[in-house]
Formats: sequence, structure tokens, C-alpha cells
Amino acid sequence: SQKIEQNSEALNIQEGKTATLTCNYTNYSPAYLQWYRQDPGRGPVFLLLIRENEKEKRKERLKVTFDTTLKQSLFHITASQPADSATYLCASQTGANNLFFGTGTRLTVIP
Amino acid sequence: DGGITQSPKYLFRKEGQNVTLSCEQNLNHDAMYWYRQDPGQGLRLIYYSQIVNDFQKGDIAEGYSVSREKKESFPLTVTSAQKNPTAFYLCASKEQAGRETQYFGPGTRLLVL
Repeated sequence: SQKIEQNSEALNIQEGKTATLTCNYTNYSPAYLQWYRQDPGRGPVFLLLIRENEKEKRKERLKVTFDTTLKQSLFHITASQPADSATYLCASQTGANNLFFGTGTRLTVIP
Repeated sequence: DGGITQSPKYLFRKEGQNVTLSCEQNLNHDAMYWYRQDPGQGLRLIYYSQIVNDFQKGDIAEGYSVSREKKESFPLTVTSAQKNPTAFYLCASKEQAGRETQYFGPGTRLLVL
């Protein structure tokens, strides 16, 4: 069955460094992957979408890559700040044109 | 001010009771979704609706019911048949016509007394 995995449950990083989060998918080839940010007790907020024919997408300090050979997307936050601390969710489409989500990676940026 | 609203923020359910969670959107989106989120698990799809007066079961529909009588509203009822209802419930909406991004409400936390 289709599977999407975010292997790191939690990631701690020093302020100013680049945070890199991983999303792996198996048993299917998604047309796109999305990344969302979720703060505690709040709904997820869309950040970036990358399509299978795009190698890289950027938005301010955020960068997403899509490697169809490795079946993986990497999400980078450069010059990380304590305000970047949150849970980041990877999501992909199902055959029914719905989304299914990874379990998320909780990022903590230490001042 | 466009967006999705969910109410209440916290909801308490007694044994054997049905409770209804509200979700309203003024984004003029066609599709609406209900997810359940438990600690350590990803969002799991309960029900979705792509058009008014039509809805489909998601992965974990048992013990839940929905209606879609108006485009802007998609209430979720947690019935007494749902034996483990304690969770964070999220409503989302999406434009149709090939759009992929979903917009989420602030969530309702349901607790069992």
C-alpha cells in the first residue's frame, strides 16, 4: 500500500543552522508532495508544493527538493530561528485526489 | 476576512452521547474534509465531500457521520458508536478544478468525560 514516512520524530538544531527534514514514500509515484507547518493546538498551514518534474522549490528561507530516484523529499530551513520551532508535515495525494500525511517531524530551534 | 472556522475549541462528551463539531468556510471552496489527529500519528481522513449533497467515507469513517447541505458548512457528528473519540479534529477545505492545497481550520479537541 502507499506509504509516506517522516523518519525523524524530533529534530533539535542550533539557531542560525540549516534544518533538514526528510520525507520518504514507497509503493507509488506521487505527482507532487506538499509540506505543512503545524503549531501546537493549531491546524496545519501550507508552506510549499513540489511536483515530480521539479527538482527544487524555494520560498524565502525554505527549500524543498524532490528526488524520484531516492523516492524522497527534503525540506530545508536555512538560518533557522526559534520561531521556526513547530511540527512539519509531509503530504501526498492519493488516487482519490485526497491527501495523506506523514506523522510529522517536531523541530526545535535552540537559541 | 476569509477562512475556516471550527467550533467549539474544546468539547466534552459523555458516554453514549452524540456530539456535533461545526466547520464553516467562506472561501467558496468546493471540497471539504474532516481529519482526526492522535499523538504520534499523522492526520487520518474521516470523511470528505467534493460537492454539496455528496460525501464519501475516508479511512476511519466508522462511528462518525457528516452532512453537506450547504457549500460553506460540513458538520461532523461523533456518534456513541465511536468507542475512542478523544482526539484533535481538523476540518479542511480545497478549491476543486485541479487545486491541491488544503486550508485547515483551528481544530476542535474532543474529550470524553
